[in-house]
Amino acid sequence: GENVEQHPSTLSVQEGDSAVIKCTYSDSASNYFPWYKQELGKGPQLIIDIRSNVGEKKDQRIAVTLNKTAKHFSLHITETQPEDSAVYFCAASGGSGNTGKLIFGQGTTLQVKP
Amino acid sequence: ETGVTQTPRHLVMGMTNKKSLKCEQHLGHNAMYWYKQSAKKPLELMFVYNFKEQTENNSVPSRFSPECPNSSHLFLHLHTLQPEDSALYLCASSQDLRVGRRASRTEAFFGQGTRLTVV
Repeated sequence: GENVEQHPSTLSVQEGDSAVIKCTYSDSASNYFPWYKQELGKGPQLIIDIRSNVGEKKDQRIAVTLNKTAKHFSLHITETQPEDSAVYFCAASGGSGNTGKLIFGQGTTLQVKP
Repeated sequence: ETGVTQTPRHLVMGMTNKKSLKCEQHLGHNAMYWYKQSAKKPLELMFVYNFKEQTENNSVPSRFSPECPNSSHLFLHLHTLQPEDSALYLCASSQDLRVGRRASRTEAFFGQGTRLTVV
C-alpha cells in the first residue's frame, strides 16, 4: 500500500524567512497531493493541492512542487508570518477517485518566531 | 467553519460504555470519511462511505461501528473501547462525482474532531 514520509518533523524559522517541507510517496499510481494545515484544537484545513499532471502550483505565499519521477513533493512558504505557525500535513491519494481517501505524512510542526 | 460539524467536541467514556460520535456535512457532498489522529502518528483512515454505502473498512476493530443513514450524516458507534483508542476522531467529506469519463471532485473538508478519552 501507499506510504508517505514527511520531513522535517519540526521546523523553526524567523518571521520573513522561507519554510520548506518535503514529502515522498511510494505508490506511483497516486495522483492527488494535498497539503493541510492544522491549528491547535481545529481539524486539518486544505491550504493547497496539486494533481499529477502539474509540476508546480502557487497561491500567493504558498507553492507546491511535484516530481513524479522521484515521487516527492514539497511545500514552500515564503515571507513567513507568526500566524503560519501550525502543524502541516502532506498527503497522497491514489486512483480510487475519492479525494478524501488519503494517506498522510507524519506532520511538521512549524514555528515562526517574530 | 468548514461546513463539516462534529459533536461532541470532547468525550470521556469508560471501557464498558457505549457512545456515539456524530458528523454532519452541509456541503452537499456524496462521500464521507472517519479518520483517527493519535499523538505522534499520522492521521489514519478508518472508513469510507460513498453515497451512504461503505466502500472501505481499513481493518478497524469491530468495537468501532460506523453508520451512514444518508449522504449528510455519519456516525461512529463506540463500545467496549480500550485506553489506546483515546485519540482525536475526525470526520471529512468530499464530492466525488463521475459522469462517464468525466469527474468532478472537490478536496476533502474536515470537521474539528471529537477528542475521545477512554478511562
